[in-house]
Amino acid sequence: DSGVTQTPKHLITATGQRVTLRCSPRSGDLSVYWYQQSLDQGLQFLIQYYNGEERAKGNILERFSAQQFPDLHSELNLSSLELGDSALYFCASSVEPSNTEAFFGQGTRLTVV
Amino acid sequence: AQKITQTQPGMFVQEKEAVTLDCTYDTSDPSYGLFWYKQPSSGEMIFLIYQGSYDQQNATEGRYSLNFQKARKSANLVISASQLGDSAMYFCAMRDYRSGGYNKLIFGAGTRLAVHP
Repeated sequence: DSGVTQTPKHLITATGQRVTLRCSPRSGDLSVYWYQQSLDQGLQFLIQYYNGEERAKGNILERFSAQQFPDLHSELNLSSLELGDSALYFCASSVEPSNTEAFFGQGTRLTVV
Repeated sequence: AQKITQTQPGMFVQEKEAVTLDCTYDTSDPSYGLFWYKQPSSGEMIFLIYQGSYDQQNATEGRYSLNFQKARKSANLVISASQLGDSAMYFCAMRDYRSGGYNKLIFGAGTRLAVHP
């Protein structure tokens, strides 16, 4: 168990809908990272938050947004969903600065139908 | 641009044998970190091993070792004494320090390892 908790584990929704994915980082970790794993794009970094503030941005669509709350949990909001948004979404957390691994949650598998 | 290349889409190995999974990287930064993760069929990403660019010795973690050849920009994962439970997807990743993202990782495409009894 990595200590990073993601909910829900599975999500099935229709095109055009909006969903929220939740992540609780490991105790003491201030950074949260979101990644998307899809068959065609592989594992891609979406966005990072550090202690409530956006730190780095990757290939995140404008339809997607995220935030990190004062208790350090984070939410990834995906709106106007398309079939191509079907993927495994990972949250990772780490202590900053760090020379070692970022710990990953078990992921949320999103299926858009 | 920073890039990770894993040229082996799939590998198989006999149980109890050793196997090497290849990873090459490209970066112009003098300071970087290299990671290997295991992703079993259940989907979670499990950290295996880390190598810093300034580390003098190759990293080892139990049955996992990282064959780090800096001049060749390669960071191959060696799994000794393979077990059936090692069957999984393996990802090589590199930390990207740019844009202030300390632990933002760039991943390779992965290698699927099958361990045969």
